[in-house]
Amino acid sequence: EPEVTQTPSHQVTQMGQEVILRCVPISNHLYFYWYRQILGQKVEFLVSFYNNEISEKSEIFDDQFSVERPDGSNFTLKIRSTKLEDSAMYFCASRRDRLGRDYEQYFGPGTRLTVT
Amino acid sequence: AQKITQTQPGMFVQEKEAVTLDCTYDTSDQSYGLFWYKQPSSGEMIFLIYQGSYDEQNATEGRYSLNFQKARKSANLVISASQLGDSAMYFCAMREAVSSNTGKLIFGQGTTLQVKP
Repeated sequence: EPEVTQTPSHQVTQMGQEVILRCVPISNHLYFYWYRQILGQKVEFLVSFYNNEISEKSEIFDDQFSVERPDGSNFTLKIRSTKLEDSAMYFCASRRDRLGRDYEQYFGPGTRLTVT
Repeated sequence: AQKITQTQPGMFVQEKEAVTLDCTYDTSDQSYGLFWYKQPSSGEMIFLIYQGSYDEQNATEGRYSLNFQKARKSANLVISASQLGDSAMYFCAMREAVSSNTGKLIFGQGTTLQVKP
């Protein structure tokens, strides 16, 4: 069964450093998402991406964040200058189509980001 | 604004018994979708069940069923015949109108379920 993959599974970085979290969505999916989950808290929407552009972003997704789909298969989240409060689990998700019953968002296993 | 509320931070259930996890939602959309996800201690998000706002019947997937009461804006998850492997965090989530190009999910705070042998 196809699945969303994410690398790395765990990233440790120092405050102020740039990090890139990588995701490979399911190949025939059209909608891509990043969510984050601070330890012990709920999952929060960061950004959605469709047709090679951001379709919506949350207030969390400030200028320090960017997303890219550089080669038609990878979907990346970049944090330019990490802060302690960026420490969280980051989930990538993808969805095939908004029509019909292809409603399910398939989540990747997550990348745990620790900023020290 | 859309909102999901899960009022039970933690629940216990005896193995083989049924358990209901509560979820209420608030939206002004007429068309929306409701989801339940399971998050075991390993951290991944596992899709369990989906209910569309226009679906007339309650969704069922194996041991999972969704008790959808549209007028009360509730979408409770019922797990029948609980198993030890059901111990996890459970999240209720809502997706905005199908016509939107976003389809983002809004999550509740989650309920931790512990199944006792």
